[in-house]
Amino acid sequence: KQEVTQIPAALSVPEGENLVLNCSFTDSAIYNLQWFRQDPGKGLTSLLLIQSSQREQTSGRLNASLDKSSGRSTLYIAASQPGDSATYLCAVASGGYNKLIFGAGTRLAVHP
Amino acid sequence: EPEVTQTPSHQVTQMGQEVILRCVPISNHLYFYWYRQILGQKVEFLVSFYNNEISEKSEIFDDQFSVERPDGSNFTLKIRSTKLEDSAMYFCASNGVLYNEQFFGPGTRLTVL
Repeated sequence: KQEVTQIPAALSVPEGENLVLNCSFTDSAIYNLQWFRQDPGKGLTSLLLIQSSQREQTSGRLNASLDKSSGRSTLYIAASQPGDSATYLCAVASGGYNKLIFGAGTRLAVHP
Repeated sequence: EPEVTQTPSHQVTQMGQEVILRCVPISNHLYFYWYRQILGQKVEFLVSFYNNEISEKSEIFDDQFSVERPDGSNFTLKIRSTKLEDSAMYFCASNGVLYNEQFFGPGTRLTVL
């Protein structure tokens, strides 16, 4: 059974720092991995999708990498800003019709 | 930019009542999903739907739950007889091509009293 773990659970940093959020999954047979942002009480905003055949994806200050064989992905946030404060969720699509299995998230706080 | 919409944003109901949560997926998408998130817990998959039938469902999705695409735009989740433990945020999602990016709606917060 696929399980997704995210480390750390929470992170508090000063503005301007470069950050790395980690995601690991137990079954390497995945179709893709998706990173989301969730603001308190809100929906999920898709940030990046990495297909299983890809190694990384970039969008602005965000870069996500995927090492399928070791069951790991990292989300790199460059030059963090207070507006980046949110919970970041990692989800993998494995088995069946693309159902996503989510990690518990990393709660990020960026202070001025 | 196209987006997934959900109504209502918040629904309060009494235990044992039926509720219908509504979603309008992105218009040219073919694959539809419901997920839920109990407060403080992970987002959990409930059901996926394609070509007017359920393609996969989780253990959570028991006989109390049903989904329907009543017309060309809406996608609904019905809970027949709500329980206290059904209180959660329910998210609808869709994608146009299998194994591509899933787009999520803003969610419906269901509170069962």
